[in-house]
Amino acid sequence: NAGVMQNPRHLVRRRGQEARLRCSPMKGHSHVYWYRQLPEEGLKFMVYLQKENIIDESGMPKERFSAEFPKEGPSILRIQQVVRGDSAAYFCASSPLRIGELFFGEGSRLTVL
Amino acid sequence: QKEVEQDPGPLSVPEGAIVSLNCTYSNSAFQYFMWYRQYSRKGPELLMYTYSSGNKEDGRFTAQVDKSSKYISLFIRDSQPSDSATYLCAMTLGAGGTSYGKLTFGQGTILTVHP
Repeated sequence: NAGVMQNPRHLVRRRGQEARLRCSPMKGHSHVYWYRQLPEEGLKFMVYLQKENIIDESGMPKERFSAEFPKEGPSILRIQQVVRGDSAAYFCASSPLRIGELFFGEGSRLTVL
Repeated sequence: QKEVEQDPGPLSVPEGAIVSLNCTYSNSAFQYFMWYRQYSRKGPELLMYTYSSGNKEDGRFTAQVDKSSKYISLFIRDSQPSDSATYLCAMTLGAGGTSYGKLTFGQGTILTVHP
């Protein structure tokens, strides 16, 4: 059973461009979480999704960031008009249950030039 | 003040030493407490989780939670070079509503175990 797959692993964007990060949860997992890890900081919760629904987006910046988890296909974290402060590692985690262990992917590292 | 405080270290110990890692927190509503291990350039993996106060042991690892002091610890016995990683404490409010997977992490402690 493959783990949580994230791609791309590394992404370089110039200021003002868009970044799209993808996450395929483990098989059978319908709960997806996105976290961001800034340099010198711990992981910060961004958003919790189930298939086709955003359950909790209280950690998402109000502008430029959006997330989706369609019925078919991976979850997508989209960052529009990136700025240097968006440079970070973005981790996706999935769980088979609302209350269950979170399995993390290896992260997507975004660098904004 | 951060909700969860964790000394980032770095911590360097010789092989075979007992390692003690700690976190303090301010939100008394936290009920589930976890320790994650993160190797360089990898995602976090769950090591231990405890509910409420008490101790939990798993092999060389022991997790302790003292809710009255808002203090959690992870002990590693007979530490090995393969234990070298960043250790993150994490906690969550509980099973109600949507909060279980919404973890609040400490900054992480960098541990090096040298042969």
